[in-house]
Amino acid sequence: AQKVTQTQTSISVMEKTTVTMDCVYETRDSSYFLFWYKQTASGEIVFLIRQDSYKKENATEGHYSLNFQKPKSSIGLIITATQIEDSAVYFCAMRVTGNTGKLIFGLGTTLQVQP
Amino acid sequence: EAAVTQSPRNKVTVTGGNVTLSCRQTNSHNYMYWYRQDTGHGLRLIHYSYGAGNLQIGDVPDGYKATRTTQEDFFLLLELASPSQTSLYFCASSGKYEQYFGPGTRLTVL
Repeated sequence: AQKVTQTQTSISVMEKTTVTMDCVYETRDSSYFLFWYKQTASGEIVFLIRQDSYKKENATEGHYSLNFQKPKSSIGLIITATQIEDSAVYFCAMRVTGNTGKLIFGLGTTLQVQP
Repeated sequence: EAAVTQSPRNKVTVTGGNVTLSCRQTNSHNYMYWYRQDTGHGLRLIHYSYGAGNLQIGDVPDGYKATRTTQEDFFLLLELASPSQTSLYFCASSGKYEQYFGPGTRLTVL
């Protein structure tokens, strides 16, 4: 069965520092897609970044980057130079086997960035 | 960037009431999804569709119907609303990879 686990319930960091949020996944597929989403205090869910499993390079998007460790089934999200507005809930997700576009989500990590 | 809108944004109904949540996407995506989000459960898929007239059952479909009338429009129907369906509902659409979410509808069933 496919599964996505985020073990960190919440993290608190100081502004302008770097934070890493963990995510591990389970799948038997040889090719798969992993995603990170952000849910703001207003409830809006925003797509941040994607990692394709067949790519060795870690994806980057602005001040977001990924630490993809395929042998460990791990996809960490790294936010550099954090800002107050990065405070949100971050969800890791994996695309389900098949051609449905369905995603499996982790339960999320709450990030609080302190001034 | 994907544009997904939902209406209403907030809805209060009574037990046994009839509710329709609407979703429209303007990105020509084939796939559309309905989720509910509850504390401790994260995002759970109710129903999804890969085109007009198509409907697929998600992971928590009980008590919900859905209909995809056009490529743009996807509706979620609660015909006999119950308090357990009080939740935050999200619609999403996707093309080849990531899903894009609407702003959500907060539904309260009294």
